[in-house]
Amino acid sequence: KAGVTQTPRYLIKTRGQQVTLSCSPISGHRSVSWYQQTPGQGLQFLFEYFSETQRNKGNFPGRFSGRQFSNSRSEMNVSTLELGDSALYLCASRTEFRGPSGYTFGSGTRLTVV
Amino acid sequence: QKEVEQNSGPLSVPEGAIASLNCTYSDRGSQSFFWYRQYSGKSPELIMSIYSNGDKEDGRFTAQLNKASQYVSLLIRDSQPSDSATYLCAVITGGYQKVTFGTGTKLQVIP
Repeated sequence: KAGVTQTPRYLIKTRGQQVTLSCSPISGHRSVSWYQQTPGQGLQFLFEYFSETQRNKGNFPGRFSGRQFSNSRSEMNVSTLELGDSALYLCASRTEFRGPSGYTFGSGTRLTVV
Repeated sequence: QKEVEQNSGPLSVPEGAIASLNCTYSDRGSQSFFWYRQYSGKSPELIMSIYSNGDKEDGRFTAQLNKASQYVSLLIRDSQPSDSATYLCAVITGGYQKVTFGTGTKLQVIP
């Protein structure tokens, strides 16, 4: 069974640019969440999508947006990049077929903003 | 008050000892509880889930849940150097299944 796939693994962008990250969840998982992880802040929740609808949202500015497609694949977009956006971005999926379940995380996309 | 609190550590234990990791949460309506292990430079990995009061054992790991006191703990028996990692507690709350993570406890197992 394939795991959660995130692309690309590494990105270097310049301040002011925008970036799109992609996540393919485990087959059958309808919930996809995005997290930002930095050494000082730990895991910060960005948003969660379930069946193409944003179900939960963290406290990030509107520059951070996401969407989910009918096949459950998800994308995250960050516009007008700032140096502080440099982080590991993690995607996680879960199934809720038999109630609440834990996440399976992807390997992450490491974004560096210069 | 943070929604999910963990001592950041590091927690140092000798090899073969029991490591005890604790987590408290603020929302009494929390329903489901998870422990993740994260090695340096890697993604978090789910190692335990617990949904009802009491203990749940899986190999060397035991998760303990006390909803009245709003804490969940993870015991690692016969700790090994390979257990050295950051352990994250996560709690699911509410009808929209919101997941909240603690900041993690760094565990160091000394050979």
